[in-house]
Amino acid sequence: QSALTQPASVSGSPGQSITISCTGTSSDVGGYNFVSWYQHHPGKAPKLMIYEVSNRPSGVSNRFSGSKSGNTASLTISGLQAEDEADYYCSSYTYSSTLGVFGGGTKLTVL
Amino acid sequence: EVQLVQSGAEVKKPGESLKISCKGSGYSFTSHWIGWVRQMPGKGLEWMGIIYPGDSDTRYSPSFQGQVTISADKSITTAYLQWGSLKASDTAMYYCARHGPYSSSWFYWGQGTLVTVSS
Repeated sequence: QSALTQPASVSGSPGQSITISCTGTSSDVGGYNFVSWYQHHPGKAPKLMIYEVSNRPSGVSNRFSGSKSGNTASLTISGLQAEDEADYYCSSYTYSSTLGVFGGGTKLTVL
Repeated sequence: EVQLVQSGAEVKKPGESLKISCKGSGYSFTSHWIGWVRQMPGKGLEWMGIIYPGDSDTRYSPSFQGQVTISADKSITTAYLQWGSLKASDTAMYYCARHGPYSSSWFYWGQGTLVTVSS
């Protein structure tokens, strides 16, 4: 199945806020509240940042928040820090596959 | 402490076979799905397939069905990803992950296994 659509890159200065979008269809993002977000520093293990659209796992900074409207989910990072520079992937449950589907990934650059 | 420890980097030639592993510890191995994710150089994450070690129920992404085999050995709490005949295009980082504990997400990940296929 097709990956969810994310912008290839976003950037922001320290202290600013940025939002990464993740667009799917009514068969995935829009149909279920099972969107999650992962932070990935290349060569390291991905890290779960948000699950079920807007919930943070224990230990994840409250600077990270998630939301959804229709077929588009969003990850917002407030008070950007240098350590936030990474690749971010959304993922959603999908009707057609038990595995779920990833977005194409967004590279966040902290200027 | 839940841990997934993957086997080390591999360098193989096209046509060779390979089996990489992911050993789980610190939890009930048979009670949680384990998945495999591929990241090709410069590309994004892709689900390859998942396995439920309790009954070996295995699901593959259509892109990987028939290309790889996922298995698990409950007795040694280890999941496997194997290839019968590697291609240069199999060069990638491979991650295993454990489903849960948060709903519909994967919190625990292995450190990754880099597979390089080159003549």
